[in-house]
Amino acid sequence: QITLKESGPTLVKPTQTLTLTCTFSGFSLSTSGVGVGWVRQPPGKALEWLALLYWNDDRRYNPSLKSRLTITKDTSKNQVVLTMTNMDPVDTATYYCIHSSYPSSIQLWLFDYWGQGTLVTVSS
Amino acid sequence: DIQMTQSPSSLSASVGDRVTITCRASQSFSRHLNWYQQKPGQAPKLLIYAASSLQRGVPSRFSGRGSGTDFTLTISSLQPEDFATYYCQQSYSTPFTFGPGTKVEIK
Repeated sequence: QITLKESGPTLVKPTQTLTLTCTFSGFSLSTSGVGVGWVRQPPGKALEWLALLYWNDDRRYNPSLKSRLTITKDTSKNQVVLTMTNMDPVDTATYYCIHSSYPSSIQLWLFDYWGQGTLVTVSS
Repeated sequence: DIQMTQSPSSLSASVGDRVTITCRASQSFSRHLNWYQQKPGQAPKLLIYAASSLQRGVPSRFSGRGSGTDFTLTISSLQPEDFATYYCQQSYSTPFTFGPGTKVEIK
């Protein structure tokens, strides 16, 4: 059974750095065709893909935020960490950790498991 | 970046109705299109992948089709638990982008 859970601060001040941790179980990030990433959703708005860390240690970022994002992993702890620098009130959103898979039979990435999400508010 | 649009942005329907949501991409790709359902206060859930493949456990009243730039999600007979917001998402190239969503409400 695959599960993911986000943890981190619920409130950050403008200009601070946000660090979110995704703790997962039920799969290995070392398995070919597996990725863990992040998607966010401002209140009442649509979903926005942020970053994805692949099983082979490759990383992809949303270019609109690339200069502010870093995604890393701690394989021994089954964790993926997202850092976002220079937080602004417009970054207020629910941040979701996602499991992504690339089935060889269809050869495309899909987001098949999601964490419950964590609401991060940016305010002074 | 590939831009995704959806129509309508919202709709009202009754239980038992057939509902179709359209998703359009700003550039063409074959079938790298996924659909998600999100209920209030919950995380999105994968419904359809590769444009037309039903995710395990998803009822067969959901179906998807399309290729190129135009895709559709159809609910053949709307059930009370289907009232939610639906998002399309392209996985053809990064940044992976979502549509703005279609909210399905009770008439």
